[in-house]
Amino acid sequence: GAVVSQHPSWVICKSGTSVKIECRSLDFQATTMFWYRQFPKQSLMLMATSNEGSKATYEQGVEKDKFLINHASLTLSTLTVTSAHPEDSSFYICSASVGDAGELFFGEGSRLTVL
Amino acid sequence: GQNIDQPTEMTATEGAIVQINCTYQTSGFNGLFWYQQHAGEAPTFLSYNVLDGLEEKGRFSSFLSRSKGYSYLLLKELQMKDSASYLCAVMDSNYQLIWGAGTKLIIKP
Repeated sequence: GAVVSQHPSWVICKSGTSVKIECRSLDFQATTMFWYRQFPKQSLMLMATSNEGSKATYEQGVEKDKFLINHASLTLSTLTVTSAHPEDSSFYICSASVGDAGELFFGEGSRLTVL
Repeated sequence: GQNIDQPTEMTATEGAIVQINCTYQTSGFNGLFWYQQHAGEAPTFLSYNVLDGLEEKGRFSSFLSRSKGYSYLLLKELQMKDSASYLCAVMDSNYQLIWGAGTKLIIKP
């Protein structure tokens, strides 16, 4: 199947700093990528839909100024958590869809810990 | 509102068969997905059903009844590595995925 790579897998940062997470589609072009966060023992929560060449579409309740998403190319989307706080600590996962069938391929996930 | 229901946790024995149910109420339907997620890892795709009936893929099968808003994932010949969470997700009329909370499957020797 298609491969989506996410980097970094683990990141620890101080409160107030910004963290960038990259999501790359390695063997296909992804016009749309999705960003999720997942708290322990909970399901995935869609944060935003990232569209190449245009602004991301954020879900209700997600602060677009805090979670900056850039989809600069057909193979790369980035999520930047700005001015991170301990409550931003979570598992962040990206995914990309292939074709119109809706099958999603997920990155490995990035575990963010804000001290 | 939109709702996906699946059991929180199930326990089964190695070598046995287990069925994980999922019921849904969504605005429109464009397919139902099952994903497997091991602790601390991202989900991996298992199956996609858009028509009624049973789809078999090796030890895993997925069933869909659109009229009943119901699906199940059937796992046969359970192995210890099948211990994971199983997520049911439905694509609604806007092609948005609505996620269930997941079923944690515990396999015992």
